[in-house]
Amino acid sequence: KQEVTQIPAALSVPEGENLVLNCSFTDSAIYNLQWFRQDPGKGLTSLLLIQSSQREQTSGRLNASLDKSSGRSTLYIAASQPGDSATYLCAVRLHQFYFGTGTSLTVIP
Amino acid sequence: DAGVTQSPTHLIKTRGQQVTLRCSPKSGHDTVSWYQQALGQGPQFIFQYYEEEERQRGNFPDRFSGHQFPNYSSELNVNALLLGDSALYLCASSLGAVRDTDTQYFGPGTRLTVL
Repeated sequence: KQEVTQIPAALSVPEGENLVLNCSFTDSAIYNLQWFRQDPGKGLTSLLLIQSSQREQTSGRLNASLDKSSGRSTLYIAASQPGDSATYLCAVRLHQFYFGTGTSLTVIP
Repeated sequence: DAGVTQSPTHLIKTRGQQVTLRCSPKSGHDTVSWYQQALGQGPQFIFQYYEEEERQRGNFPDRFSGHQFPNYSSELNVNALLLGDSALYLCASSLGAVRDTDTQYFGPGTRLTVL
């Protein structure tokens, strides 16, 4: 059974700092890995999708990497802003998505 | 282009009752998946519908059932509600068979409270 773990569970940083969120998974036979953002009580917004054959994806201040062999992914956020405050979820896709429990990020102005 | 829509937004029920949640997929999508997200947890996969049939199912009891209509919209039904069914229920849509480029688009969710 696929298990997805995210560390840390919560993170608080001052505005402007660069930060890294971690995601690990137990079964490397995945189609893709996706990072989502979730604001309180809301649905999920897709940030980045990394195909199983790719190593990384970038979008603006976000960069996500994937190492299938070690079962790890990182989400790098550059020059954090208060508007980045949210819960970040990673999910690996087989025939369904398996989600981690998320990292709650607070960026302090 | 409308994204994924869900109704209702919020719902309050009492134990033992039955509830029906509704989802309309993103335009052009034919596959709908349902997830349950308890407070402070990641979403848990309930089931997926494609071509009006349940294709995949997570570890949920038979009290959870669903349906997909010819227009690809879907319903999630939960019978004999328990307090533990209180959660945010998310619907996600995608297109056809799983591919490595495929992503799911999520709706805003339905917040179900069971008293």
